[in-house]
Amino acid sequence: KAGVTQTPRYLIKTRGQQVTLSCSPISGHRSVSWYQQTPGQGLQFLFEYFSETQRNKGNFPGRFSGRQFSNSRSEMNVSTLELGDSALYLCASSLDRGGYTGELFFGEGSRLTVL
Amino acid sequence: KQEVTQIPAALSVPEGENLVLNCSFTDSAIYNLQWFRQDPGKGLTSLLLIQSSQREQTSGRLNASLDKSSGRSTLYIAASQPGDSATYLCAVSGGSSNTGKLIFGQGTTLQVKP
Repeated sequence: KAGVTQTPRYLIKTRGQQVTLSCSPISGHRSVSWYQQTPGQGLQFLFEYFSETQRNKGNFPGRFSGRQFSNSRSEMNVSTLELGDSALYLCASSLDRGGYTGELFFGEGSRLTVL
Repeated sequence: KQEVTQIPAALSVPEGENLVLNCSFTDSAIYNLQWFRQDPGKGLTSLLLIQSSQREQTSGRLNASLDKSSGRSTLYIAASQPGDSATYLCAVSGGSSNTGKLIFGQGTTLQVKP
């Protein structure tokens, strides 16, 4: 069974640009969460999607947004990039049974560098 | 607000030692606790998941315990090997929520010397 797939793995952008990251969950998983990892702040929750609806949201500015498609694939977008957005962005999927989210499985991440 | 602390931040041991990593959390009303491993530049690998109603979980040389009332979990690694060198992260479900929102500790970086 294929794991969580994130694309692209690495990307470099300049300040003011926008970026879109993609995540394909494990087959059958309907919950997708996004996290940002930086050396200073560690791992921080961005948002979670389930059945194309945002179920939970972390404390990030509105420049960070996401969506989920009917096949459970998810994308996140960051607009007007700032230097501080440089980070490893991780996507996780889980099997949701009747509202219960079990074990989370993570992808390899997308490493974003903002110059 | 839930906060997760991991002690120690770094640990270096000789191969073959048994070791314990600690994780503490401030809000005992968690839904579950999960231990992960992260290799440099890589994503997270799930090691063990403990539901709030459970006291421990075991997988191979790993054993994780959970004491909700005291807000603590430990990850026990038996007979450590150089391949165990990585950062170990503990995460709890956000408060009593059963969603995919996890609160992470800062991790313990483990080095096992041959």
